[in-house]
Amino acid sequence: ILNVEQSPQSLHVQEGDSTNFTCSFPSSNFYALHWYRWETAKSPEALFVMTLNGDEKKKGRISATLNTKEGYSYLYIKGSQPEDSATYLCAFPISGGSNYKLTFGKGTLLTVNP
Amino acid sequence: NAGVTQTPKFRVLKTGQSMTLLCAQDMNHEYMYWYRQDPGMGLRLIHYSVGEGTTAKGEVPDGYNVSRLKKQNFLLGLESAAPSQTSVYFCASSYFAGPYEQYFGPGTRLTVT
Repeated sequence: ILNVEQSPQSLHVQEGDSTNFTCSFPSSNFYALHWYRWETAKSPEALFVMTLNGDEKKKGRISATLNTKEGYSYLYIKGSQPEDSATYLCAFPISGGSNYKLTFGKGTLLTVNP
Repeated sequence: NAGVTQTPKFRVLKTGQSMTLLCAQDMNHEYMYWYRQDPGMGLRLIHYSVGEGTTAKGEVPDGYNVSRLKKQNFLLGLESAAPSQTSVYFCASSYFAGPYEQYFGPGTRLTVT
């Protein structure tokens, strides 16, 4: 079983703060790295799928970077708002091809205080 | 487009009872997945399907069976429920294998007493 580690486990920030958190994954046999946003009482929603070393993706105030050689991805939120409060999950495929299956990290719980 | 739907939303079972959870998607996706989510454990893959008529085991398949008789539906069965199967179950689908987004259903909260 491959380990996907996320840090920190939880984070409290004030509205307007910028923040970032980390996803670490095995650097060998890289296929892709997925980020999901999971609000309380809802279901996970895809943010980004990243495939190339050095990839940067952006959606509004949220962006992500990828370093496949060292096995990490950062998720950044600029100017956090209370509606950004959620658990942010990263996921890494444990195999490719037709058996593409994701292993999820335990997530980073972000709370943005107004 | 309803996306991914799950039935039921909540269920309470007694130990030893059986039930089936239904997942349906209207996006013509090939791949479908069943996960369970437990506190402190994150999402874990139970079973998945790479297309109509196919199923495969995930990380935690014991105690569950699945069927995919129609492309749009993926059923998860518990033949003899155990308290350890108390969890929130999520179904997901994706267009195909590979770096595609997975779309999740709203979840089913199952309690086994």
